[in-house]
Amino acid sequence: GAVVSQHPSRVICKSGTSVKIECRSLDFQATTMFWYRQFPKQSLMLMATSNEGSKATYEQGVEKDKFLINHASLTLSTLTVTSAHPEDSSFYICSARGPGGGRAKVEFYEQFFGPGTRLTVL
Amino acid sequence: GDSVTQMEGPVTLSEEACLTINCTYTATGYPSLFWYVQYPGEGLQLLLKATKADDKGSNKGFEATYRKETTSFHLEKGSVQVSDSAVYFCALLKGNNRLAFGKGNQVVVIP
Repeated sequence: GAVVSQHPSRVICKSGTSVKIECRSLDFQATTMFWYRQFPKQSLMLMATSNEGSKATYEQGVEKDKFLINHASLTLSTLTVTSAHPEDSSFYICSARGPGGGRAKVEFYEQFFGPGTRLTVL
Repeated sequence: GDSVTQMEGPVTLSEEACLTINCTYTATGYPSLFWYVQYPGEGLQLLLKATKADDKGSNKGFEATYRKETTSFHLEKGSVQVSDSAVYFCALLKGNNRLAFGKGNQVVVIP
C-alpha cells in the first residue's frame, strides 16, 4: 500500500515550452501533496504544498506563476513548469500524505514519495 | 528554524564493513526523526523513523537511536552490502508538518 507514481519519469523539452508532471496516489486518498526540487548531489527543496480543492502554498522564493500546481482530486496533483528554461532542469519529486489510520496504521504525517521526474530543458 | 545537519562528503567502504552516518538536529521540542534512502534514479523511500526520545528505529539491518541529550540520530549498519549503495537523507518533521531534510550522504559500497 501507499504507492505514489509520477509521470513522466523523464522529459526533454525545448526552451520556452511548458511541461506538465503528474503525481498520483494509487491506493490511498492524498489530502496533501508536496512538490520538491532536487539539484544534483543536493538535498530536496520543498517548492509547494497543495491540499485537494484549494490553492497551493508556495515556499519563499518559488515563483507561483512559473510553477503551476493543481490538486484537483484526492489522488492527483499536477505541476506545470511554464515557459521552461535550462535553469529549470532538475529532478522533481512529489510526495503524498493521507489522513492516516487504516489497516496499515499509517501516521497522519507520513509522506510517501514518488519516483521523481527528470526534466531537461534544452 | 528547525534543521538537520549531516556529515559532509560521500562515504566509500568495502562490503561487510560497518557504516555510520552522523545526523544532528536543531529544533524546538522533540520532533519526529527519519532516515530516507534514495537509490539511483529513484525517489525517496522511508528507511526508518523514531518519534520520541530514546526510540530506536530499525529496518533492513539499519538502526538509529533518537538521542535528545546530543540532539542526534546517527544511522548505523553493522555489515553493509553492495546493494546498500545509495544516498541517505536524515529528516525531521517540523511543527507545520513539513519535512526538513539534511543534504544527504552518498554511500558507495565496493565489493
